[in-house]
Amino acid sequence: GDSVTQMEGPVTLSEEAFLTINCTYTATGYPSLFWYVQYPGEGLQLLLKATKADDKGSNKGFEATYRKETTSFHLEKGSVQVSDSAVYFCALSAGPGGYNKLIFGAGTRLAVHP
Amino acid sequence: DVKVTQSSRYLVKRTGEKVFLECVQDMDHENMFWYRQDPGLGLRLIYFSYDVKMKEKGDIPEGYSVSREKKERFSLILESASTNQTSMYLCASRLRGGGPSTEAFFGQGTRLTVV
Repeated sequence: GDSVTQMEGPVTLSEEAFLTINCTYTATGYPSLFWYVQYPGEGLQLLLKATKADDKGSNKGFEATYRKETTSFHLEKGSVQVSDSAVYFCALSAGPGGYNKLIFGAGTRLAVHP
Repeated sequence: DVKVTQSSRYLVKRTGEKVFLECVQDMDHENMFWYRQDPGLGLRLIYFSYDVKMKEKGDIPEGYSVSREKKERFSLILESASTNQTSMYLCASRLRGGGPSTEAFFGQGTRLTVV
């Protein structure tokens, strides 16, 4: 079945460092891809998404590009801030047969230190 | 501002109790979901509902049931709580018919401890 694999955490960075969180997926159809973020004590919220090959999603300085040839959707940010400390989830959603279920990776915890 | 509201942030229940987790959304979404979140396992789908009184099993339905009597409300029921059901439970809603790229909206989660 469809699945998402993302790098294990925690990832610990200093402020202003470059961030990459790897995400790869397996899907039988042509999925939409998402990054969700969970700040401490809160539910998940959408960070960015991409719906077709070579699309780039971006928000709050974060970017991810839908790479069909490598089945990847890596999250990047050029300069992280302490406020970016959170858990990041990569997810996919396939077509109507699955009632648009979201399938999540295990999550990657990011800790940014001043 | 769109909202998914879970009735409790924290719950402590005893083994064998029947537990109800409530979720309400104000977006008129057809699809609603219950996930559990465990470290290293991410979010796993327990049940989802695509309409009133309709439900489908997710990946880990054992030990759980659900109820959807009104469009805005989706309840998760632990028939006889066990310690291995100690977890964070997240409710989500999503517009049906918007296609696979449609955003899901999440509640703040209920951290359930079964003792």
